Amino acid sequence: QVQLVQSGAEVKMPGASVKVSCKASGYTFTSYGISWVRQAPGQGLEWMGWISTYTGNTNYAQKFQGRVTMTTDTSTSMAYMELRSLRSDDTAVYYCAKGRVLTAATWLDPWGQGTLVTVSS
Amino acid sequence: DIQMTQSPSSLSASVGDRVTITCQASQDIKNFLNWYQQKPGKAPKLLILDASNLQTGVPSRFTGSGSGTDFTFTISSLQPEDIATYYCQQYGNLPLTFGGGTKVEIK
Repeated sequence: QVQLVQSGAEVKMPGASVKVSCKASGYTFTSYGISWVRQAPGQGLEWMGWISTYTGNTNYAQKFQGRVTMTTDTSTSMAYMELRSLRSDDTAVYYCAKGRVLTAATWLDPWGQGTLVTVSS
Repeated sequence: DIQMTQSPSSLSASVGDRVTITCQASQDIKNFLNWYQQKPGKAPKLLILDASNLQTGVPSRFTGSGSGTDFTFTISSLQPEDIATYYCQQYGNLPLTFGGGTKVEIK
């Protein structure tokens, strides 16, 4: 079955970076894109950006431009999201989700199980 | 960015009740509107895509309608397993944006 499995929880100091991974299985990795969405504790869903696993093109939400990098490794069907210069308000659960390969504009299905990133001194 | 206004933010209903949630977009998004269900501690799950198309495997008591700026999500007969928070999401324009969520509880 189509599945996205993410890396485990992280605790980071303010100013540090975090890199979350997302392992895809059950489908042809390069036929679908990957979006990243985060959810702060008790809050709603916030789209961070998208990467095409076929072209490597990215589209980042303006809020995260300059601070986020999304990459893929097609040989291992892995997607990565790195967020730099972490602040306390970056504390959230980060999700990867499968979308379209040539555009970020789509529904997201399925989603990974989520990775809790805690930023605290 | 397109703002998605979802209401109510929470509701309480009895098992078997009809439940309706609305989502309003700040500009015309045609039918580029999806609905998700998120249970506590779990990832969101896609229920309805393109405003009214039921995702494979989703029970038929879930329906969606609307186009343009006004959309409706309905649970025809609320079941105990439907306790969750529901989100709308538009993809008429980037960035993708979500409604604030509706928490559904059993009365």
